Amino acid sequence: QQQVKQSPQSLIVQKGGISIINCAYENTAFDYFPWYQQFPGKGPALLIAIRPDVSEKKEGRFTISFNKSAKQFSLHIMDSQPGDSATYFCAASLGQTGANNLFFGTGTRLTVIP
Amino acid sequence: NAGVTQTPKFRILKIGQSMTLQCAQDMNHNYMYWYRQDPGMGLKLIYYSVGAGITDKGEVPNGYNVSRSTTEDFPLRLELAAPSQTSVYFCAGAGGPSETQYFGPGTRLLVL
Repeated sequence: QQQVKQSPQSLIVQKGGISIINCAYENTAFDYFPWYQQFPGKGPALLIAIRPDVSEKKEGRFTISFNKSAKQFSLHIMDSQPGDSATYFCAASLGQTGANNLFFGTGTRLTVIP
Repeated sequence: NAGVTQTPKFRILKIGQSMTLQCAQDMNHNYMYWYRQDPGMGLKLIYYSVGAGITDKGEVPNGYNVSRSTTEDFPLRLELAAPSQTSVYFCAGAGGPSETQYFGPGTRLLVL
């Protein structure tokens, strides 16, 4: 049973375009929602994260939008660059009340075409 | 700081063999985790530890064992390797329950 559902599985975007990846969850006890970026042959690395007390968080070209009532959150990459080509994972955890065990989505392979 | 390190990078095992995947961190992280990553499936938690001497099962613990005798090391033991354990294994560390998990570079395991 997948605790966090992620879409699309793959995404192709032109350089300069906006990349959007969506995730949904069921467990309303989740209180920490990170996005990880993974390049081939490397471990995942934290890109940006949000907690449910805010609806949006922006760091440079990366923005998380969070909809608590719909139990959905999304990653927006503005002005997408070829260097952004990687696999992106959303995740959720019980950070404050648990051991911060992360439940990952199935990943989105992003390709940015020059 | 080296961060989180894992050895070996790649290993081929025969069915029924056993091995230990090593994970070490020099960031003084109390929390450590083992995940496996299968194609198209994301990462699944195998075991985790919240401090030396304390370990607990994650989502997919069957066929694995862990120990945490020191803060720095968190080895993962595979007994009686099976083809279903073919995967990429990642170790991660975190300073606390609400803090970022830092991942190692992974160990690719092939069981034939």
